Amino acid sequence: KQEVTQIPAALSVPEGENLVLNCSFTDSAIYNLQWFRQDPGKGLTSLLLIQSSQREQTSGRLNASLDKSSGRSTLYIAASQPGDSATYLCAGRYNQGGKLIFGQGTELSVKP
Amino acid sequence: GAVVSQHPSWVICKSGTSVKIECRSLDFQATTMFWYRQFPKQSLMLMATSNEGSKATYEQGVEKDKFLINHASLTLSTLTVTSAHPEDSSFYICSASDGLIIREQYFGPGTRLTVT
Repeated sequence: KQEVTQIPAALSVPEGENLVLNCSFTDSAIYNLQWFRQDPGKGLTSLLLIQSSQREQTSGRLNASLDKSSGRSTLYIAASQPGDSATYLCAGRYNQGGKLIFGQGTELSVKP
Repeated sequence: GAVVSQHPSWVICKSGTSVKIECRSLDFQATTMFWYRQFPKQSLMLMATSNEGSKATYEQGVEKDKFLINHASLTLSTLTVTSAHPEDSSFYICSASDGLIIREQYFGPGTRLTVT
């Protein structure tokens, strides 16, 4: 069964700290993996999309990596800010046209 | 680009009534649309997938007669919750892709439904 798991469910860090969010998936034959941000009561904002042929993607203070052999992806946030507080979801797609399989999310709180 | 809107953003309805939620792609043609449901503190659950002009494909356990999906044009899909009950209260999110072969999806802002 294809599953996506995120640990921990919640994370609290002081402002300025660098942090890593983890995502694991059960099938190494992943087509692409996407990281989203969700603010309370809002929809999803796409942060980074990594194709299976890529190892990482970067956008500003965010860097996402993909390691198919170990079934893991990480989202690195540099110099965290209170505005980064949100729930971060990773989702894997296992083939073109396949459905996105979401992890449970990590709720991040960055304390000023 | 790739903006998806939903209307309304929140709605309250009485038990037994029906409510319709609209999802629109504003700057691209949404060949495929998806409807998700999200309970508090939980992840997104796919309800159904629809291609323009075709009947929706529902996920296992989702009642197609209760959650009516219409994807009549390349920019509009609607979800109608029929005979709503309090347990249907949830956050509904639509998503759209500009191809039959899905590479990336764009998500709407969601609709909060409360059934009293």
